[in-house]
Amino acid sequence: KNEVEQSPQNLTAQEGEFITINCSYSVGISALHWLQQHPGGGIVSLFMLSSGKKKHGRLIATINIQEKHSSLHITASHPRDSAVYICAVHGGATNKLIFGTGTLLAVQP
Amino acid sequence: GAGVSQTPSNKVTEKGKYVELRCDPISGHTALYWYRQSLGQGPEFLIYFQGTGAADDSGLPNDRFFAVRPEGSVSTLKIQRTERGDSAVYLCASSFIAGEVEQFFGPGTRLTVL
Repeated sequence: KNEVEQSPQNLTAQEGEFITINCSYSVGISALHWLQQHPGGGIVSLFMLSSGKKKHGRLIATINIQEKHSSLHITASHPRDSAVYICAVHGGATNKLIFGTGTLLAVQP
Repeated sequence: GAGVSQTPSNKVTEKGKYVELRCDPISGHTALYWYRQSLGQGPEFLIYFQGTGAADDSGLPNDRFFAVRPEGSVSTLKIQRTERGDSAVYLCASSFIAGEVEQFFGPGTRLTVL
């Protein structure tokens, strides 16, 4: 079992829909990242959080440390949001990131 | 300023050959990370440098893989006797300090071993 699990693996939405991507982890963490990766492109950090909720534009990220769960929400989705969204956690005493396998999001016009 | 850069962007090599992949981190970033991303998977940690020293190399899959960062800036990932299973995108990231801070990723090097 992966230490970081994401769901769904694939998601297709219509433009304007509210989207939720979930991340569950089994290790103790100090921080969790949500990352965005466009096809053929590099990875961009969207959020880093260790508690509560953060909002940036149409993106909202929440984390529940007790339940070891985080969600990424996209409001009023747009085709340009189409990308792979990756959850990653800072694991234990080391500084390395442990990544989920990603969620491939396709937003159709 | 410039972000993290990686060269080459693509590398095609034959099985058994030696390759070097280069990463130029953001100026002033002391922490540098190498990850490997296979098709359809999330990235996997390879090695982390704090300054010139490898602080954690637990992700290197075997002794064919080696990385250096001699002056605490540019890093080179070296793969000897490449195998087809080494084919992946190799990502580099840097951060101002180590720990729970944002990492800035380069565009990656796509390595294909024929």
